Amino acid sequence: EAGVAQSPRYKIIEKRQSVAFWCNPISGHATLYWYQQILGQGPKLLIQFQNNGVVDDSQLPKDRFSAERLKGVDSTLKIQPAKLEDSAVYLCASSLDPGQGVAGELFFGEGSRLTVL
Amino acid sequence: AQSVTQPDIHITVSEGASLELRCNYSYGATPYLFWYVQSPGQGLQLLLKYFSGDTLVQGIKGFEAEFKRSQSSFNLRKPSVHWSDAAEYFCAVTVNTNAGKSTFGDGTTLTVKP
Repeated sequence: EAGVAQSPRYKIIEKRQSVAFWCNPISGHATLYWYQQILGQGPKLLIQFQNNGVVDDSQLPKDRFSAERLKGVDSTLKIQPAKLEDSAVYLCASSLDPGQGVAGELFFGEGSRLTVL
Repeated sequence: AQSVTQPDIHITVSEGASLELRCNYSYGATPYLFWYVQSPGQGLQLLLKYFSGDTLVQGIKGFEAEFKRSQSSFNLRKPSVHWSDAAEYFCAVTVNTNAGKSTFGDGTTLTVKP
């Protein structure tokens, strides 16, 4: 079974530039999450999708971050314009529909490391 | 809102020694608890999980964890550590299974001495 795919693995940009990250979840996983992991901290949820609808985006800085999940499969997270404090690893995770009894178990991609100079 | 505390930022143990990583959570009801491991440059991998039932759960790679409701704890243990266990370990709690949203602690970095 293929895992969660993310790209690019690494990205270096200047502040005020834009960047986009892509994620393809495990086939059949209805729920998709974007987490931000700053060095020395645990992952912090940015946004959660159930199929192609947003379940929770309360922690997403909407003035600069946006995310979409068209057709309920892959997803894109965009930052525009980037700030120095956005330097982090952006992790995508997916999980089965909670109704299938394995709620909360997340399958993570390898992450996209962003450095903002 | 739920929260997770991992009191130890960094732990060093000798290879072959036992290991215990601490995790405390804050939530009014019984949460769903997880331990994940993250090797450098990798995503997080699930080690084990507790949903209900037996409070001692077994996971992969010889790890186990014990849920103690009275102490709001879910500590991770391994009787004999291998050099390949060096990594960062995250405890996580999910309290609304319909949403499946997990809150993570800030992690404990494990160093294994030869």
